[in-house]
Amino acid sequence: DADVTQTPRNRITKTGKRIMLECSQTKGHDRMYWYRQDPGLGLRLIYYSFDVKDINKGEISDGYSVSRQAQAKFSLSLESAIPNQTALYFCATSDPGEGGNQETQYFGPGTRLLVL
Amino acid sequence: RKEVEQDPGPFNVPEGATVAFNCTYSNSASQSFFWYRQDCRKEPKLLMSVYSSGNEDGRFTAQLNRASQYISLLIRDSKLSDSATYLCVVGGYSNYQLIWGAGTKLIIKP
Repeated sequence: DADVTQTPRNRITKTGKRIMLECSQTKGHDRMYWYRQDPGLGLRLIYYSFDVKDINKGEISDGYSVSRQAQAKFSLSLESAIPNQTALYFCATSDPGEGGNQETQYFGPGTRLLVL
Repeated sequence: RKEVEQDPGPFNVPEGATVAFNCTYSNSASQSFFWYRQDCRKEPKLLMSVYSSGNEDGRFTAQLNRASQYISLLIRDSKLSDSATYLCVVGGYSNYQLIWGAGTKLIIKP
């Protein structure tokens, strides 16, 4: 079984709808991240969490919110989806014990979101 | 200027050839450098970290040039399975932040 899973894998929604993307991990990592990927751009960080009680905004958090329900679960919500939120969304985890700063990140398979 | 810049390619390379590509970064204080590989419609996966002295992993060699602020990836004896997009990743201004390049697409042809 995959260490980092995301649901749904694909989603089509309409402008104004609220949607939630879910991420679960079995790696036992404290750190979790949400990124989006757009064609021609690098991954951009939306939110990150270093433990259950720690939630931080990334570079592009506007229009998004997150919930860290447990060490293993980190959900991303789009409160009112808009077309420019159409993208590929990745969840990732990391473990500071692996070597200090900017440790290796492990990604889920991604969620393709289309907002009409 | 983008913080991390890569030639998007594609690099079309015959099987067995050697290919190299670079990535430039703007933050001279960056301490961490990585190459990730991303297959089409899949998630990124770590290919290798890049150390100051350069490092090798099988057919892959990564090097860091701090003076000119670039890292490089060399692939020898390329295989069809090396076809992918290679993402350059550089540590940012804090201990959580990674700055991702948009990737270089590599196509290995038989």
